[in-house]
Amino acid sequence: QKEVEQNSGPLSVPEGAIASLNCTYSDRGSQSFFWYRQYSGKSPELIMSIYSNGDKEDGRFTAQLNKASQYVSLLIRDSQPSDSATYLCAVNAGSGNTGKLIFGQGTTLQVKP
Amino acid sequence: SQTIHQWPATLVQPVGSPLSLECTVEGTSNPNLYWYRQAAGRGLQLLFYSVGIGQISSEVPQNLSASRPQDRQFILSSKKLLLSDSGFYLCAWSVQGIEGYTFGSGTRLTVV
Repeated sequence: QKEVEQNSGPLSVPEGAIASLNCTYSDRGSQSFFWYRQYSGKSPELIMSIYSNGDKEDGRFTAQLNKASQYVSLLIRDSQPSDSATYLCAVNAGSGNTGKLIFGQGTTLQVKP
Repeated sequence: SQTIHQWPATLVQPVGSPLSLECTVEGTSNPNLYWYRQAAGRGLQLLFYSVGIGQISSEVPQNLSASRPQDRQFILSSKKLLLSDSGFYLCAWSVQGIEGYTFGSGTRLTVV
């Protein structure tokens, strides 16, 4: 059973701080990794993708991938109250061109003003 | 640009009634299409996916079925709803999953 694990939180950080969200996965054959943001009652929105080891930065967001440790993380710098949401880690199921993604349970982030 | 439409937004149905949820994608051809369900406070569970017209793969045995009658149309159905079918149903599309999914706005289904 391929799995993606996240700490459900809530993770609470003060406004302006760095929020660090972590994710581990079980399938060593996975090649694509994604972070989605989901506001309460809304559908998930893709915010970051990463495919190779190392860091990938996009504005205030940095995704980090370590395939040897099967670990993906998302850093949010200068956290804002509007960043308060559930963050879902997703990993491709590694089977042909189906594009199936396995999602973690999500980490709830609370940014306090 | 590509857009995905999903309707209805909310639905309240009695136990034993039928279900039909529809999803359409615009601005792309031959997308991969997916149906997910998110139960309250739970993660996303993949229900069905399709890589082409008439090609449906089921991920979990359940009370639901899916069909893809046209290239950019994906339908989720049930003949008789159960209480456990309640949840947030999400349709998504991708180009072979390379760049991740784009989700529709979702349908919140409550079975009473």
